Amino acid sequence: GQNIDQPTEMTATEGAIVQINCTYQTSGFNGLFWYQQHAGEAPTFLSYNVLDGLEEKGRFSSFLSRSKGYSYLLLKELQMKDSASYLCAGEPNRDDKIIFGKGTRLHILP
Amino acid sequence: EAQVTQNPRYLITVTGKKLTVTCSQNMNHEYMSWYRQDPGLGLRQIYYSMNVEVTDKGDVPEGYKVSRKEKRNFPLILESPSPNQTSLYFCASRGGGDNEQFFGPGTRLTVL
Repeated sequence: GQNIDQPTEMTATEGAIVQINCTYQTSGFNGLFWYQQHAGEAPTFLSYNVLDGLEEKGRFSSFLSRSKGYSYLLLKELQMKDSASYLCAGEPNRDDKIIFGKGTRLHILP
Repeated sequence: EAQVTQNPRYLITVTGKKLTVTCSQNMNHEYMSWYRQDPGLGLRQIYYSMNVEVTDKGDVPEGYKVSRKEKRNFPLILESPSPNQTSLYFCASRGGGDNEQFFGPGTRLTVL
């Protein structure tokens, strides 16, 4: 099967920048998603990358390298409300079968 | 308001008692999915549907059934629930040409 790997937990400081990495088998995915999930809530969509490169959306950016099976989510100017889990997910084909990584819990320190 | 709704939000039941969790979306989305989320295992897809009468298995379909008779509804059926199906369940939908998947608020199921 296709696995998606991401760190279990990370800690960063308010105002700083943090990069959350995600790796997967290169035989893999049509596109890569990033979702944010606050404790006790449903996931919310952050980004979708299908082409190599960096896509910026406000304080959040997402990068994809298909040849390396690698993606990252970059969060700038961290705020306390960014404390959440960040889920990387891949879509093998464009048919709504989606495989999620186990998520990275991000702790923000004041 | 565009949304995905699930009912019930919380359910405690006993082993073997059939139950249905309903999911409805008002965005005319083609794609709908069911996931379960467990500590340490993340979100795992149970079933997905690309349109009415088109459903397919995700990664963990055992013990579950779904149906898609109407575009807006995608119920999840547990014919004979067991304790290992205790979990947090999410329904989600998105348009066929869209990237953003919208999640329902979740259903916390406990099977005793």
